[in-house]
Amino acid sequence: EAGVAQSPRYKIIEKRQSVAFWCNPISGHATLYWYQQILGQGPKLLIQFQNNGVVDDSQLPKDRFSAERLKGVDSTLKIQPAKLEDSAVYLCASSLVVGSDTQYFGPGTRLTVL
Amino acid sequence: KQEVTQIPAALSVPEGENLVLNCSFTDSAIYNLQWFRQDPGKGLTSLLLIQSSQREQTSGRLNASLDKSSGRSTLYIAASQPGDSATYLCAVRPTGRRALTFGSGTRLQVQP
Repeated sequence: EAGVAQSPRYKIIEKRQSVAFWCNPISGHATLYWYQQILGQGPKLLIQFQNNGVVDDSQLPKDRFSAERLKGVDSTLKIQPAKLEDSAVYLCASSLVVGSDTQYFGPGTRLTVL
Repeated sequence: KQEVTQIPAALSVPEGENLVLNCSFTDSAIYNLQWFRQDPGKGLTSLLLIQSSQREQTSGRLNASLDKSSGRSTLYIAASQPGDSATYLCAVRPTGRRALTFGSGTRLQVQP
């Protein structure tokens, strides 16, 4: 079974630039999550999708961050414009709606904002 | 607001030792608690999941316990090996939510 795929794995940009991350969850997983993990901290939820609808985006900085999950499969997370404090690893995870509560994580995208 | 704390932040032990990692959470209204392993440059791997009605879960050399009323969980690793070196994260799923709240992790180094 293929795992959660993310790209790119690494990205370096300058502040005020834009960046986008892509995630492909495990086939059949209806729930998709984006987490931000700052160095030395645990992951923090940014946004949660159920199919193509947003379930929880209470911690998403909506003035600069946006995310979408068209067709309820792949998802993209965008930052525009980026700030220095956005430097972090962005993790995507997916889970089944019923049956299993386990979240499966992708390898993450490491973003460095200079 | 749910907060999850992990102690210690870092731990170094010689190979073969048994060890305990601690996790505490402020709100006992949880659906479940999970322990994850994170290797450098990689995503998280789920190790054990304990439902709120359970007291412990075991997988191989790992044993996780949950005391929901006191807001505590421990991860016990028996006969540690260098391959166990990683960061271990504790996360709770608050009741009514599907997303997880994570601790900052314990960075474990097992010396050969």
